[in-house]
Amino acid sequence: GESVGLHLPTLSVQEGDNSIINCAYSNSASDYFIWYKQESGKGPQFIIDIRSNMDKRQGQRVTVLLNKTVKHLSLQIAATQPGDSAVYFCAETLNQAGTALIFGKGTTLSVSS
Amino acid sequence: NAGVMQNPRHLVRRRGQEARLRCSPMKGHSHVYWYRQLPEEGLKFMVYLQKENIIDESGMPKERFSAEFPKEGPSILRIQQVVRGDSAAYFCASSPRSNRDRALETQYFGPGTRLLVL
Repeated sequence: GESVGLHLPTLSVQEGDNSIINCAYSNSASDYFIWYKQESGKGPQFIIDIRSNMDKRQGQRVTVLLNKTVKHLSLQIAATQPGDSAVYFCAETLNQAGTALIFGKGTTLSVSS
Repeated sequence: NAGVMQNPRHLVRRRGQEARLRCSPMKGHSHVYWYRQLPEEGLKFMVYLQKENIIDESGMPKERFSAEFPKEGPSILRIQQVVRGDSAAYFCASSPRSNRDRALETQYFGPGTRLLVL
């Protein structure tokens, strides 16, 4: 059957295409999730977040989808641009005070003109 | 409004020396987190501090590593007697922390300090 949430370490798209980046998180108790973008030589940059009581949230050109049943998170980028080229990480927080972020494996997005 | 500031941006040390990494949180943020990123990997949590308090150091190696966040001044991550395996990018993040809405605890990251141990 179809493998939901298959993580790909790299994703190459053409400028203008839509991109979908997947992430499988580890802890069913996590209640807050964030997508970060990391460009070469820089720190992670906040993109969008979502709480566990939601299954979808939209930002500017980005949408995050949350499927708690299979512990899967996805980031959709519309009309991908060369400036979107970076490594994308999802992060989850544990459902307790003083929360550290647990980062997933990154996906390197390459956008060609 | 300046973001999270870290210095130095690059640090070279020989084995056995000490490394001190500094982090100034965003204005209005009182919570600091340190993460380590090895090449080609995601960030791994090390320690979470508030002013004058270590809240969670479950990700810190038991030896040689220490962190502080004094009442005045930046947070410091200190690595004593560095070894080659300590070579990594060290990122600091800060958050405002609100008990009302977890979403306000979003952590904002600094540019990182890249430590190279020769």
